[in-house]
Amino acid sequence: AQKVTQAQTEISVVEKEDVTLDCVYETRDTTYYLFWYKQPPSGELVFLIRRNSFDEQNEISGRYSWNFQKSTSSFNFTITASQVVDSAVYFCALSVGYSTLTFGKGTMLLVSP
Amino acid sequence: DGGITQSPKYLFRKEGQNVTLSCEQNLNHDAMYWYRQDPGQGLRLIYYSQIVNDFQKGDIAEGYSVSREKKESFPLTVTSAQKNPTAFYLCASSPTGSQGYTFGSGTRLTVV
Repeated sequence: AQKVTQAQTEISVVEKEDVTLDCVYETRDTTYYLFWYKQPPSGELVFLIRRNSFDEQNEISGRYSWNFQKSTSSFNFTITASQVVDSAVYFCALSVGYSTLTFGKGTMLLVSP
Repeated sequence: DGGITQSPKYLFRKEGQNVTLSCEQNLNHDAMYWYRQDPGQGLRLIYYSQIVNDFQKGDIAEGYSVSREKKESFPLTVTSAQKNPTAFYLCASSPTGSQGYTFGSGTRLTVV
């Protein structure tokens, strides 16, 4: 069985601070995919990134960066110079093979001006 | 534009009534999914279907039913057997053999 743990329930920061959202996953499979989604107050899920288990390269996209470490089963997400528009719930998710997504419970990020 | 349409956005029902949530996609995706979201609980899988006329139970299928008579449609019925149906419901789809999931904008169901 797969499991995703997002230990941080809620994080509050002031605009322009850097913030890291933690994600730890569990799976016995060697082939899997990891995802991050953003859920703004409107409710829809916005896809941010997908990474497969064979690609441990870190990735940077603008103010977003992701740190994938198989040794610690972690896939952490960092927002640099946070903005008010980054306020949302962020979900980490895991998919094994081509099966369904298993989500963490989410981290609510509040960025105040 | 291709996408997933969930309707209605908000739905109110009396306790004991069955209610059906609509999910339609024009992406030509084979697989479709229903997730339930409760505050602080993340998204949990209710049912999924990888092909027309076939579907499988997810982690919390009790009190729900689905059908998949057409590729583009995957309606979810919340029955009176579901003890706590008030929640946010999200539908998703993906192509076969792909990790590209597309989500709808959700239906917020409130049972009074």
